[in-house]
Amino acid sequence: DTAVSQTPKYLVTQMGNDKSIKCEQNLGHDTMYWYKQDSKKFLKIMFSYNNKELIINETVPNRFSPKSPDKAHLNLHINSLELGDSAVYFCASSQGGWTSKQYFGPGTRLTVT
Amino acid sequence: GENVEQHPSTLSVQEGDSAVIKCTYSDSASNYFPWYKQELGKRPQLIIDIRSNVGEKKDQRIAVTLNKTAKHFSLHITETQPEDSAVYFCAASRANDYKLSFGAGTTVTVRA
Repeated sequence: DTAVSQTPKYLVTQMGNDKSIKCEQNLGHDTMYWYKQDSKKFLKIMFSYNNKELIINETVPNRFSPKSPDKAHLNLHINSLELGDSAVYFCASSQGGWTSKQYFGPGTRLTVT
Repeated sequence: GENVEQHPSTLSVQEGDSAVIKCTYSDSASNYFPWYKQELGKRPQLIIDIRSNVGEKKDQRIAVTLNKTAKHFSLHITETQPEDSAVYFCAASRANDYKLSFGAGTTVTVRA
């Protein structure tokens, strides 16, 4: 009965590799997000999708490519991983956009060596 | 764009005392102010939010106040308990902007 789920929970990989993180929500929400939380705990929005359409791309390098196959899923693919990509990535969802309660997934801890 | 500043960055309180976290925002058009709690190793979770047409909101031991003129809002936790230990984030957004800006977080430690 998990509301927002992400896989994998941990991801350790080498520089230059390509990796994907998957997110699914079963809340029936129409908006999904990707956040990056760095080592200082700062939470920063990366992308937002509403009804499968990209509505926010917050100056993220184009090595990051989100994909939303349907309203319940939002995946994040990262090409040519760099050391600075190491962080915890959170997926979230809401119904109706920014002024609605956002439900976060458990996070994916990405470590690039 | 919106800039949200949060103070203090760390806060240690004795169990049973009150904790107050303050945030300021820069965009006078912001009208939605949520607070999230993140326990160690867990996901952020919304604990309370306030909209600009309200000056104060309470939920049991938690309250949020908003001063639109001064562009600041605060989280108040009364009768703190060990389970209140966490990182607390304030955030601000405005309708139709599709952008939620977070403060840098406050690490609250409740001493038993």
